[in-house]
Amino acid sequence: QKEVEQDPGPLSVPEGAIVSLNCTYSNSAFQYFMWYRQYSRKGPELLMYTYSSGNKEDGRFTAQVDKSSKYISLFIRDSQPSDSATYLCAMTVSGDKIIFGKGTRLHILP
Amino acid sequence: DVKVTQSSRYLVKRTGEKVFLECVQDMDHENMFWYRQDPGLGLRLIYFSYDVKMKEKGDIPEGYSVSREKKERFSLILESASTNQTSMYLCASSPLQGQGLHTEAFFGQGTRLTVV
Repeated sequence: QKEVEQDPGPLSVPEGAIVSLNCTYSNSAFQYFMWYRQYSRKGPELLMYTYSSGNKEDGRFTAQVDKSSKYISLFIRDSQPSDSATYLCAMTVSGDKIIFGKGTRLHILP
Repeated sequence: DVKVTQSSRYLVKRTGEKVFLECVQDMDHENMFWYRQDPGLGLRLIYFSYDVKMKEKGDIPEGYSVSREKKERFSLILESASTNQTSMYLCASSPLQGQGLHTEAFFGQGTRLTVV
């Protein structure tokens, strides 16, 4: 079993829909959870950062961590064509390297 | 804002050449990383560094070396470039907090290297 699993997509949704992106992981020691957005031919940019379990909201984005299920989610409300990108989840244990998912390609259809 | 700058966006090199990829960060971060990103394989860690002159192997260090002589600069070296090293190379940095805690990493724009 890989440490972090993420469906590569592509995921296509109409503009204005709610998008749900997910990752599962196997290492229960992970404490820090991140979501990155990567546009084509660019480096990943940090979108959301969460410590331990719970929800965190930032504008149209909500990050959710369920440590009991080893499952993290990113929700995008009122999705826009500019949200079309690859989304990578990432996580780390304190004092260890960051582990990335392979990324989900998202297309928002106008 | 954190800025991580990679010296080149695109590079074309010949097989057997020695290649240097440079990365500079301006936020006094302790940690720096080199990844390569390939379709279907995601981000793979090549090397990372927790401090000046310190380096640790990542998941795929073979064929690569690194240098960190100054805190803000982390260089990736391909000793003898091969076609299977054609890839997108990404540098990242992150702050060190407390007892070696990792926090979020900030990435450069990437260098797309083609070895012919």
